Amino acid sequence: EILLTQSPATVSLSPGERATLSCRASESVTSYLAWYQQKPGQAPRLLIYDGSKRATGIPARFSGSGAGTDFTLTISSLEPEDFAVYYCHQRSNWPGFGPGTRVDVK
Amino acid sequence: QVTLRESGPALVKRTQTLTLTCTFSGFSLSSSGMGVSWIRQPPGKALEWLARIDWDDDEFYSKSLKTRLSISKDTSKNQVVLTMTNMDPMDTGTYYCARDTVVVDAYQYNGMDVWGQGTTVTVSS
Repeated sequence: EILLTQSPATVSLSPGERATLSCRASESVTSYLAWYQQKPGQAPRLLIYDGSKRATGIPARFSGSGAGTDFTLTISSLEPEDFAVYYCHQRSNWPGFGPGTRVDVK
Repeated sequence: QVTLRESGPALVKRTQTLTLTCTFSGFSLSSSGMGVSWIRQPPGKALEWLARIDWDDDEFYSKSLKTRLSISKDTSKNQVVLTMTNMDPMDTGTYYCARDTVVVDAYQYNGMDVWGQGTTVTVSS
C-alpha cells in the first residue's frame, strides 16, 4: 500500500506570498498524482493532474511538479480565495489521499 | 456538461448496510479510460478514497475497507452503486462520487475532474 505524507500540516501566509506544499509517496506513483483544493462546505476541486498539468480553468499561479515519490504544489502569489485545504491523491497502487495541508491567513 | 449526483439515505443504524447511488450525465462509463470513484469525509477530517469502477469493469477498493465495500455500475442507467456493510458511527460523514479518468494509451492520469455535491450520512448507535 502506498502512503502519502503532506507537509507542512498547516502553513500561515499573507496574500501575495508564495506557498510551497509538499507531497511524498512511500513508493513511486510515477506521475499518477493529482492535487485538490477544498474549501469549507464544498466538494474538492481538481487543480493539478498527472503530477504537473493544470486542470481546466485553474489560474496560472497554481503549478505542480515532481514525479516518482516527491511532488510539490506551488501557489506563486496567494489570492484571498486560495486559503483552503489542499490534498494530494495517488491513483497508482491502492489509491489514497494525503492528510492535507491547510493554508491559513497570517 | 458532466454532472454527478449522489443519493441515498441520510440516516442509517449501526450494523446496517448503506447503499449509495451516483447518477451521472455527460459521459459514458463504457468509454475507454473512464471511471467513477467514491470518496468520503468525516466531519472536520481528511478525504478518504473508498472505491472505483472503470469502463472495463475493473473494481478497486480501499485496502482498509475492502471487506465491507462493493461497487457496481449500470451503464444503461448511467449509475454507479456503492454498498458498505456493517455501518458504524465512525462511518458518519459526507460521501462524494467523482469522475476519475486516465488516458490509457498515454499512461496519463487525468484526475477526479468533476465531483458531485456530496451526500451526508449519519450512522446512529
